Amino acid sequence: DAGVTQSPTHLIKTRGQQVTLRCSPKSGHDTVSWYQQALGQGPQFIFQYYEEEERQRGNFPDRFSGHQFPNYSSELNVNALLLGDSALYLCASSFGQYSPLHFGNGTRLTVT
Amino acid sequence: DAKTTQPPSMDCAEGRAANLPCNHSTISGNEYVYWYRQIHSQGPQYIIHGLKNNETNEMASLIITEDRKSSTLILPHATLRDTAVYYCIVSSGGNRDDKIIFGKGTRLHILP
Repeated sequence: DAGVTQSPTHLIKTRGQQVTLRCSPKSGHDTVSWYQQALGQGPQFIFQYYEEEERQRGNFPDRFSGHQFPNYSSELNVNALLLGDSALYLCASSFGQYSPLHFGNGTRLTVT
Repeated sequence: DAKTTQPPSMDCAEGRAANLPCNHSTISGNEYVYWYRQIHSQGPQYIIHGLKNNETNEMASLIITEDRKSSTLILPHATLRDTAVYYCIVSSGGNRDDKIIFGKGTRLHILP
């Protein structure tokens, strides 16, 4: 049973470019959450998707957007990349109320 | 903002019990306490969660005080592989009604 898978594992972009990160949830999970983790910090909540809609959002600008597909997989898009967007981006999936989050191992984004 | 307070770091001798405290003095009646850990370069891993009763699983035990304002995660026989950052989180409604907010966690060092 595959867990949460994220692609790509590493990515290097230039300031001003756009990036798309992808996430496949654990089998049976229908909710996907995205987090940004800067070096030495805890994961920061970006947003959560359920039933193909954004349900919750953290304190991130509109440059960060997402999508959830009918098969529950999800994408995170970041436009107009800044150097400060360099971080580990984590995807987590879950099912049902009070269900723990299951995380992927993240995508390491470097903006130069 | 995170609703919990944890010490930034702790040491524990290998083979001994590691007791990680967490303060959540503003916890609401419908909020659960969740613990995750993050080993370097990996996504966070769920450990255990509880509402008011003590909980135990194959990884750890969770002790929640009667007033629910604090809790302790216990790793009964710590090994070097338990070296990680441990996050204590409180959340209501699971993943669709509430944001899962991480703090900075406790960096646990297991000493050989």
